[in-house]
Amino acid sequence: GAVVSQHPSRVICKSGTSVKIECRSLDFQATTMFWYRQFPKKSLMLMATSNEGSKATYEQGVEKDKFLINHASLTLSTLTVTSAHPEDSSFYICSASRPQGASYEQYFGPGTRLTVT
Amino acid sequence: GENVEQHPSTLSVQEGDSAVIKCTYSDSASNYFPWYKQELGKGPQLIIDIRSNVGEKKDQRIAVTLNKTAKHFSLHITETQPEDSAVYFCAPRGGKLIFGQGTELSVKP
Repeated sequence: GAVVSQHPSRVICKSGTSVKIECRSLDFQATTMFWYRQFPKKSLMLMATSNEGSKATYEQGVEKDKFLINHASLTLSTLTVTSAHPEDSSFYICSASRPQGASYEQYFGPGTRLTVT
Repeated sequence: GENVEQHPSTLSVQEGDSAVIKCTYSDSASNYFPWYKQELGKGPQLIIDIRSNVGEKKDQRIAVTLNKTAKHFSLHITETQPEDSAVYFCAPRGGKLIFGQGTELSVKP
């Protein structure tokens, strides 16, 4: 399968600061990348979809000014949590989509555990 | 919007037994049906998928069956092993993946 990496794997930050999470597709060019959020013992919730070189599409209820997404290349997308608060603490997971014939397989990164103190 | 339901939410089996998890979806436009395995503290891993023009797919101990008419697909794991213990998610896709609530599988040695 395809490899997607995330960095950092864990981050602790203070309230009011910003933190950036990187997502990279290591062995394929990802036309589309996705950002998810997952609370303990819950399912994955899609936050936004980003295509290389264009603005991200955010899901309803997700603040685009708080969760800044940049997809500058076909192998890198970043999520910046601005002015973080304790309620932003969560497990953030990215995924990258690789065209495979008529369908698009989606591969997930290992996740980033964000703790805001 | 799309509604995805996964059953059961928890499943406990003895090592060597089979496990079946069912996923029901509402979007008739769904054309891609993956199953993901997520271990604690890690991202989901694609374990098997099926497309809408196929009714069944098997990969060693894992199989997926699809009933498009009834809008459900199932994950079958045979000869379960303790390392199969994890949370499993279905995520049927029409326009985007919609994740089920997850099934926590526990395989007891």
